[in-house]
Amino acid sequence: DVKVTQSSRYLVKRTGEKVFLECVQDMDHENMFWYRQDPGLGLRLIYFSYDVKMKEKGDIPEGYSVSREKKERFSLILESASTNQTSMYLCASSLNSGADEQYFGPGTRLTVT
Amino acid sequence: GQNIDQPTEMTATEGAIVQINCTYQTSGFNGLFWYQQHAGEAPTFLSYNVLDGLEEKGRFSSFLSRSKGYSYLLLKELQMKDSASYLCAAPSSNTGKLIFGQGTTLQVKP
Repeated sequence: DVKVTQSSRYLVKRTGEKVFLECVQDMDHENMFWYRQDPGLGLRLIYFSYDVKMKEKGDIPEGYSVSREKKERFSLILESASTNQTSMYLCASSLNSGADEQYFGPGTRLTVT
Repeated sequence: GQNIDQPTEMTATEGAIVQINCTYQTSGFNGLFWYQQHAGEAPTFLSYNVLDGLEEKGRFSSFLSRSKGYSYLLLKELQMKDSASYLCAAPSSNTGKLIFGQGTTLQVKP
C-alpha cells in the first residue's frame, strides 16, 4: 500500500512565523503535490514537483515555496505566515506523469493567529 | 480553459440510489477520476474512466461520455457511511496535475 505521511495533523502558528510542512511518500513516486482545501473553494494546487529538485507553480503559489531534495520528501514552506493561510493542507503523490491516481496524505490543519 | 462542474450538495435516503453528475472541459483528454472524502479526512480514490461507458465496482459505478464531456458516479444501496464529499477530477494534459471540481457533499439520511 502507498503511504503518504505528513509531519503534523494540527498546527498553530503566529503571523509572521516561518512554517514548514513536511510530506513523505514511501512508494518511489515521481510526482508530488501540495494543495490547500478551503470550504467552497475545493482543492487548489499550490506547487508540484515531478522530479528531485524540480518544482512547478500551481494555481496559487503566492506566499509559498517548496523544496524537494530527496525523491520521497516534499516540503511546503510558508515564508511569513499570514491569517489568510489558515487552511487544510494536503500532500499527494503519483507514480509519474500522465493520468495517474494521486494518493493523499492525512492533511495538516494549519491555523495562523 | 479547463473547468469542472458538479453540484454542491445532494441529499438521499439510506438504501436508495443517487447519481452525482460532473461536466468537464479540459484541453486534451486523459480520463476522469472520482474521489471520496469524508469530513476531516484525505480524499481516497474511487474510480478512473478513460473509455466511454459504465464501470461497476461493487455498490459504486462510474460513467463517462467523452463526446458530451460528462461523467456521473452512481451509488447504490446507500449507507450512512456514504455521507461524504465526492470529487470529480481530470488530468491536465500530461503534466501529472489533476484539475478538481469543488466536490459534491452527499448527506445520507435514515
